[in-house]
Amino acid sequence: GAGVSQSPRYKVAKRGQDVALRCDPISGHVSLFWYQQALGQGPEFLTYFQNEAQLDKSGLPSDRFFAERPEGSVSTLKIQRTQQEDSAVYLCASSSGRLAGAYEQYFGPGTRLTVT
Amino acid sequence: GDSVTQMEGPVTLSEEAFLTINCTYTATGYPSLFWYVQYPGEGLQLLLKATKADDKGSNKGFEATYRKETTSFHLEKGSVQVSDSAVYFCALGSSNTGKLIFGQGTTLQVKP
Repeated sequence: GAGVSQSPRYKVAKRGQDVALRCDPISGHVSLFWYQQALGQGPEFLTYFQNEAQLDKSGLPSDRFFAERPEGSVSTLKIQRTQQEDSAVYLCASSSGRLAGAYEQYFGPGTRLTVT
Repeated sequence: GDSVTQMEGPVTLSEEAFLTINCTYTATGYPSLFWYVQYPGEGLQLLLKATKADDKGSNKGFEATYRKETTSFHLEKGSVQVSDSAVYFCALGSSNTGKLIFGQGTTLQVKP
């Protein structure tokens, strides 16, 4: 079946612009995650949804970052007033489990954001 | 807080050599442990996992054993191939939280 998809795959934004990144999880997966991966580093957790509820947003680096999953399927990560330090690959993952840390997460290809 | 430490790379091996990539962790409770792999130009894929102490995860000739006494989850393969060239990430996941915590990744280059 279809895996996790993300769009756009590449995004170039001028500093100060707002961006929106989309994630389509595997159909039926309850849990959805966003991670940020800087060049040469491992992914770092941003936020976690179980269905439409955002259960953990402790990893969001500032109040410029906002995520939503209004109908419990597709999710959008929005970054307002982008800064150069926001340049990274943004990964989305989904999982069938509710105790999501114990279950494997399936990752999308990522969106590479470059802020100029 | 919880953390994962991996050996630094790059690791360069000849085809058919033995591979070990070290991974140690710090965690409260009883996390699950994972190895993910990222092939060039592709997304992260789950390679193997172990959910409790002494479990051995295995896939595609790779193995890792969950060692609670040494807080380790080292990745091994007896005979690497050129096609194994990739970045390998060790990660832990707690059933109390949703997130995975990743190590920094280890690049493996296998030469013919």
